[in-house]
Amino acid sequence: DSGVTQTPKHLITATGQRVTLRCSPRSGDLSVYWYQQSLDQGLQFLIQYYNGEERAKGNILERFSAQQFPDLHSELNLSSLELGDSALYFCASSGIQGVNTEAFFGQGTRLTVV
Amino acid sequence: GESVGLHLPTLSVQEGDNSIINCAYSNSASDYFIWYKQESGKGPQFIIDIRSNMDKRQGQRVTVLLNKTVKHLSLQIAATQPGDSAVYFCAENNAGNMLTFGGGTRLMVKP
Repeated sequence: DSGVTQTPKHLITATGQRVTLRCSPRSGDLSVYWYQQSLDQGLQFLIQYYNGEERAKGNILERFSAQQFPDLHSELNLSSLELGDSALYFCASSGIQGVNTEAFFGQGTRLTVV
Repeated sequence: GESVGLHLPTLSVQEGDNSIINCAYSNSASDYFIWYKQESGKGPQFIIDIRSNMDKRQGQRVTVLLNKTVKHLSLQIAATQPGDSAVYFCAENNAGNMLTFGGGTRLMVKP
């Protein structure tokens, strides 16, 4: 158990809908990262938050947004969903911005858009 | 390294043999590198890391080699076991910011 919790584990929704994925980082970790993993492919970085502020942005679509709350949990919002958005979405957390440590991953949310 | 978005390359080894998984990284300023293992249906799991001031680091049955000259990273697994079957990703980090992942290699261990 990495200590990173993601909910829900599975989500099935229709095209055009909006969903929210939730991540609780490891206790004490200030950084949260979101990654997308399409079937049998690599991990695409979406966005990083540190202590409530956006720190880095990757290949995140304008239809997607995220935030990190004062209690450090994070939510990834996906709107106007398309079939191609079906993927595993991972959240990871690490400790201190600017200090290289490994990131710990949650078990992911599998999103299926039908 | 493998390009993100392509189907994963596969390495097939016999149980008991040594495995070597390679990765090329892109950013010469990256100063921290990590290997992750991802089993089917699970999140990536940390295996071993190495900082740019080192060329080699050993763990239990795993060794990571870093060649900064050619921006190359390798993961060596000794006496590969069926439980090692998974997808392996290298990741590079610069100053604690976003981790950039390679495309991954699928390791299949034949009994």
